[in-house]
Amino acid sequence: KQEVTQIPAALSVPEGENLVLNCSFTDSAIYNLQWFRQDPGKGLTSLLLIQSSQREQTSGRLNASLDKSSGRSTLYIAASQPGDSATYLCAGVIQTGANNLFFGTGTRLTVIP
Amino acid sequence: GAGVSQTPSNKVTEKGKYVELRCDPISGHTALYWYRQSLGQGPEFLIYFQGTGAADDSGLPNDRFFAVRPEGSVSTLKIQRTERGDSAVYLCASSSGGGIYNEQFFGPGTRLTVL
Repeated sequence: KQEVTQIPAALSVPEGENLVLNCSFTDSAIYNLQWFRQDPGKGLTSLLLIQSSQREQTSGRLNASLDKSSGRSTLYIAASQPGDSATYLCAGVIQTGANNLFFGTGTRLTVIP
Repeated sequence: GAGVSQTPSNKVTEKGKYVELRCDPISGHTALYWYRQSLGQGPEFLIYFQGTGAADDSGLPNDRFFAVRPEGSVSTLKIQRTERGDSAVYLCASSSGGGIYNEQFFGPGTRLTVL
């Protein structure tokens, strides 16, 4: 069964720090990968989409990379702000013939002012 | 609307009752997905529609769960004889195509509580 692991499960950093969130898949056959943000009691906001032919995507202070050979992705957040506090989920389309996303359990980020 | 919408936002029901959850996808999106998220977990796939047809229902946990999308737009997830274990947030997502490279956009979810 496909497993998606996110490390760490929780992270607290002081405002202004750069940080990296990690995501790994047991099966490296990743067709695309999305990073999402989820605020408490809310739905998912799509942050970045990396297709299998790409290695990274950038949006503002966010940079996501994908290493298909190892089945790993990282989300880099520069100059963190208290408003970045949320749970970050990675998810991939990782199965031939299936279009659904497999999700990790998320990293809960707290940025301390 | 600008995004995916879901109604109701919260639903409380008693064990054994029938419930319907509604999803309005982004206008023009042909693909629609239902996921279920339990507390502290990532969402898990339930069913995927391409147009009016269910292209993949392999995530439905049992035959108490059923979903329809009769006109290729709005979808309804139906749960019969609800059980306490069905309590979760039910999320709907849509994408402009059903291909494996299309970005999925999520609604705010419906929080279902079965007493």
